[in-house]
Amino acid sequence: GENVEQHPSTLSVQEGDSAVIKCTYSDSASNYFPWYKQELGKGPQLIIDIRSNVGEKKDQRIAVTLNKTAKHFSLHITETQPEDSAVYFCAASNYRIQGAQKLVFGQGTRLTINP
Amino acid sequence: NAGVTQTPKFRVLKTGQSMTLLCAQDMNHEYMYWYRQDPGMGLRLIHYSVGEGTTAKGEVPDGYNVSRLKKQNFLLGLESAAPSQTSVYFCASNRGLSSGANVLTFGAGSRLTVL
Repeated sequence: GENVEQHPSTLSVQEGDSAVIKCTYSDSASNYFPWYKQELGKGPQLIIDIRSNVGEKKDQRIAVTLNKTAKHFSLHITETQPEDSAVYFCAASNYRIQGAQKLVFGQGTRLTINP
Repeated sequence: NAGVTQTPKFRVLKTGQSMTLLCAQDMNHEYMYWYRQDPGMGLRLIHYSVGEGTTAKGEVPDGYNVSRLKKQNFLLGLESAAPSQTSVYFCASNRGLSSGANVLTFGAGSRLTVL
């Protein structure tokens, strides 16, 4: 089955700097790669996702890149702000429209933005 | 809309006791999931459902049972709790059955401690 590895487990950056979180996956059949943000005491919430037919996707200060050949994908956050402090999870799945979304998650990265 | 609601939020059990976690969604979603979150291990899928009256095993189903008698509710049961089941449990749902309907909406979590 799919296995997703996420690094680093903790990341501390100065406010305004960029943060990068990296994930690798094992199953070449995986075609959907979302990133979830989990704030303290809350459930994870989708912040951005990418499908395997796209190499990069941006949404304001966040971007995700995908390298299918190397089986890795990354989350980039620019101009970090205190509200970016949270735990971030990458995930992968072999998504089919009429099928369950059985995500396999990475271990999580605790991101701390220092003022 | 409340989204995905989990009850209870906290529970302490003794080894061997039984309990049920309730997940309710008001978004008319077809698919529902139960995940457990443990430190350093991300979220792991326990069981899922692709519609009313259906359930299926996920990655770590042992020791758990589920039922989905109504479309809006997904119950997770522990028949004989063990300390290894101490975890934070998250319920999630997604609309499914159409393009773009794959995003999971998570509840706020239920923290279970088994002594």
